[in-house]
Amino acid sequence: SYDLSQPPSVSVSPGQTASMTCSGDKLGDKYVCWYQQRPGQSPVLVIYQDSRRPSGIPDRFSGSNSGNTAILTIRGTQAMDEADYYCQTRDNSIHVLFGGGTKLTVL
Amino acid sequence: EVQLVESGGQLVQPGGSLRLSCAASGFTFSSYWMSWVRQAPGKGLEWVASIKQGTTEKYYVDSVKGRFIISRDNAKNSLYLEMNSLRAEDTAVYLCARPYTTTAEGSFDVWGQGTVVVVSS
Repeated sequence: SYDLSQPPSVSVSPGQTASMTCSGDKLGDKYVCWYQQRPGQSPVLVIYQDSRRPSGIPDRFSGSNSGNTAILTIRGTQAMDEADYYCQTRDNSIHVLFGGGTKLTVL
Repeated sequence: EVQLVESGGQLVQPGGSLRLSCAASGFTFSSYWMSWVRQAPGKGLEWVASIKQGTTEKYYVDSVKGRFIISRDNAKNSLYLEMNSLRAEDTAVYLCARPYTTTAEGSFDVWGQGTVVVVSS
């Protein structure tokens, strides 16, 4: 079965750049999107089609996807960015698949 | 306003059944794939099932195949999840989700607030 692997946690200092990875076999051949989920809230789509930002998402958020790894990058990280982040992909076999999530701590 | 509102979650005994509903408003419901996603307490997101616009194509995560049925009523702008033979591991918040575009199955930009299902004796 296909798996998406994310590190359980990432820490970053305010104002610095946070990078979170999502790994899967030949993931670069699929589209990846990313969600932010704050405690007690529903997820928010922050990146789709590897690197596109929905309207209303700050340009501090960016994404890339190549080879076996997709990366979500947050520049100038703020306290409000502290949340869980999930990658997600799909294809005609697995349909929709989420990674296990990364808890971003801003300290 | 684009909105999804789930209902139907409750405490149910193992082996029991439940039907969840998701009421959609503010967009052309019939034009979109729709999905159910769940989140067990303290755990990550798990896709459960998707249904294509015309209701003929339905897909499920392996753990619910043969037990859950996704359906939709485009005339009522509603999505459903019939859950049978429920197990303790089905305990979760169940969220209804819509993709960002009519041609996509995933990449959900609209989510409901969720409805809680607890499977316990």
